[in-house]
Amino acid sequence: GENVEQHPSTLSVQEGDSAVIKCTYSDSASNYFPWYKQELGKGPQLIIDIRSNVGEKKDQRIAVTLNKTAKHFSLHITETQPEDSAVYFCAASYQGGSEKLVFGKGTKLTVNP
Amino acid sequence: KAGVTQTPRYLIKTRGQQVTLSCSPISGHRSVSWYQQTPGQGLQFLFEYFSETQRNKGNFPGRFSGRQFSNSRSEMNVSTLELGDSALYLCASNPYGGSGANVLTFGAGSRLTVL
Repeated sequence: GENVEQHPSTLSVQEGDSAVIKCTYSDSASNYFPWYKQELGKGPQLIIDIRSNVGEKKDQRIAVTLNKTAKHFSLHITETQPEDSAVYFCAASYQGGSEKLVFGKGTKLTVNP
Repeated sequence: KAGVTQTPRYLIKTRGQQVTLSCSPISGHRSVSWYQQTPGQGLQFLFEYFSETQRNKGNFPGRFSGRQFSNSRSEMNVSTLELGDSALYLCASNPYGGSGANVLTFGAGSRLTVL
C-alpha cells in the first residue's frame, strides 16, 4: 500500500553544517512532495514542497530534490542554525480527488551551537 | 489572516467516554482534513471534508467520525474512548477543493489524553 519511509530518525549537526534528510515513497502515481517542520507544542508547518514536474527547488537555505525514477526525495538545509532544531516530516500526495498526505515517521534534527 | 484554529487545545477523558474536537479553517478554505499524531505511528490520515461531504477516509474504526458545516468549520468525534486514542489530533485546511495542490496548513492540534 501507500508508504513513505524517512531516514534518519535523528540527526545531530554543528551550527553552520549542512543537514540532509531522505525519503522514499512507494506509489509511482504520487506527484506532490511537501516537507513540514514541527516545533514543540505546535502543529506541522510547511517549509517547502516540490511537484513531480520539477527536479529541484530552493528557498534560501532550504532545498528539496526529487528523483521520480528512483522514487526518492531529499531535504537539504545549509548553514544550519539552532532555530532549525525541530522534527521534520516528509510526505507524499496520492491524489484521487482528495487532499490526503502520507507522512514519513519524522526526523528529529538537533543543531548544536 | 487568522490561521487554523483548533479547540480545545488540551483535554483529558476516561475510557468509554466520547469527545468532540473542533476546527475552524482559514477563511476561504473549503477543504478540511484531520490527522492523528502519536509517537509510535506518526501522522496518520483520518478523513477529509469538502463542501460538507466526506471525500476520503483513513484506516480508522467507526468510532472515529467527523462532519463539516456550511461555513467550512469541522468537528471530529471519537466515541467509546480507548487508551490508544491518546494522541495529538491535527486539523489542516486547504484552499483547493478539487484534485488540486494538497497544500495543507495545520492547526496547533488538540491533545487528547485518555485515562
